[in-house]
Amino acid sequence: NAGVTQTPKFRILKIGQSMTLQCAQDMNHNYMYWYRQDPGMGLKLIYYSVGAGITDKGEVPNGYNVSRSTTEDFPLRLELAAPSQTSVYFCASSGGEAQYSYEQYFGPGTRLTVT
Amino acid sequence: KNQVEQSPQSLIILEGKNCTLQCNYTVSPFSNLRWYKQDTGRGPVSLTIMTFSENTKSNGRYTATLDADTKQSSLHITASQLSDSASYICVVSLSSGTYKYIFGTGTRLKVLA
Repeated sequence: NAGVTQTPKFRILKIGQSMTLQCAQDMNHNYMYWYRQDPGMGLKLIYYSVGAGITDKGEVPNGYNVSRSTTEDFPLRLELAAPSQTSVYFCASSGGEAQYSYEQYFGPGTRLTVT
Repeated sequence: KNQVEQSPQSLIILEGKNCTLQCNYTVSPFSNLRWYKQDTGRGPVSLTIMTFSENTKSNGRYTATLDADTKQSSLHITASQLSDSASYICVVSLSSGTYKYIFGTGTRLKVLA
């Protein structure tokens, strides 16, 4: 199993450009998450999904969009990139809800710089 | 407000020594507490998960404790190795609400030879 994979690993965007961060998992997990990690801060939830076709906003969704057309893939779209979106982005997946102690598996991250 | 606070922010120890990292939380309704290890440039990797009824859990040289009454947890690392150099993140899960995972800001550990 590859686990959770993310592409690209690094990206530099100009202000106003758009891009899609790719995330895929091969563990047949229903739950998938996108987080951002800023220096000195805890991970913040951007969007999450509890199954194909179902997505919902997290704490910091502004400026982002997601889709979940398959169980495996959960891409994150940045429209009109802003310097405030400079961060490290992590995708994660789990087999069930947090309160039932399911493990959460993280991808290797995408480091995005917007200049 | 749901919060997870970790201390110290950073720590430097010599190889072979033990250390203890602290996590205090004000989270409700509590479901479980997790410790993750995050190597530089990598995603977090789970070390332990403890529910309300568990007060200690080990994973090799890592031992986590949980005191649900005082809302405190600690991660003890025994006989540290250079490969233990990483950030250690405490995460508390809620049993209800939209945002089920509350992340601490982490303790950055550096182990020196």
